[in-house]
Amino acid sequence: GEQVEQRPPHLSVPEGDSAVIICTYTDSATAYFYWYKQEPGAGLQLLMSVFSNVDRKEEQGLTVLLNKKDKQLSLNLTAAHPGDSAVYFCAVSDGKLTFGHGTILRVHP
Amino acid sequence: EAGVTQSPRYAVLQEGQAVSFWCDPISGHDTLYWYQQPRDQGPQLLVYFRDEAVIDNSQLPSDRFSAVRPKGTNSTLKIQSAKQGDTATYLCASSFTGVSAETLYFGSGTRLTVL
Repeated sequence: GEQVEQRPPHLSVPEGDSAVIICTYTDSATAYFYWYKQEPGAGLQLLMSVFSNVDRKEEQGLTVLLNKKDKQLSLNLTAAHPGDSAVYFCAVSDGKLTFGHGTILRVHP
Repeated sequence: EAGVTQSPRYAVLQEGQAVSFWCDPISGHDTLYWYQQPRDQGPQLLVYFRDEAVIDNSQLPSDRFSAVRPKGTNSTLKIQSAKQGDTATYLCASSFTGVSAETLYFGSGTRLTVL
């Protein structure tokens, strides 16, 4: 079945810097890609979804890059602020959604 | 529009006790999922339904876990005899099977602690 590796597990950046999270997946038939944010005690909030025919998508300070050749998906938070501190998950779907293990992001003032 | 609603928010049990979790999906969503999220890990699918039918329960420990969605709307996940290894957050999600990607919307979860 699909395997998803996410890195880094922990990320600490100063306010205003970029934060980059990367996921690799194994199944080349994977068609849909997602990034979720989870704040303490809350469920997962969908940040962005990307279909496999898209290489790059930008929305509200977030950039998702999809490299199908290397089976890699990345999330770039440009100019991170303390409110971005949370756990971020990538997820990929080939009909069934498989999550990465998460990245704990801390943005410090 | 109301989101996915789960109850209770927290549950604390002794080993061997039973517990039920309840989920009310977004109105009109035909697909409902139950995920288990151990601490510091990503969610892992337990079971999912399309309307009232179970589509995949291959990851549900069938000797102790059961899930139903009798009218294709609300759902209940039950653990018959909890073990310490069941300690996790149980997340419910729903989606609509349309022509494009199925986007899952998650509830806030039930945090279960088994002592």
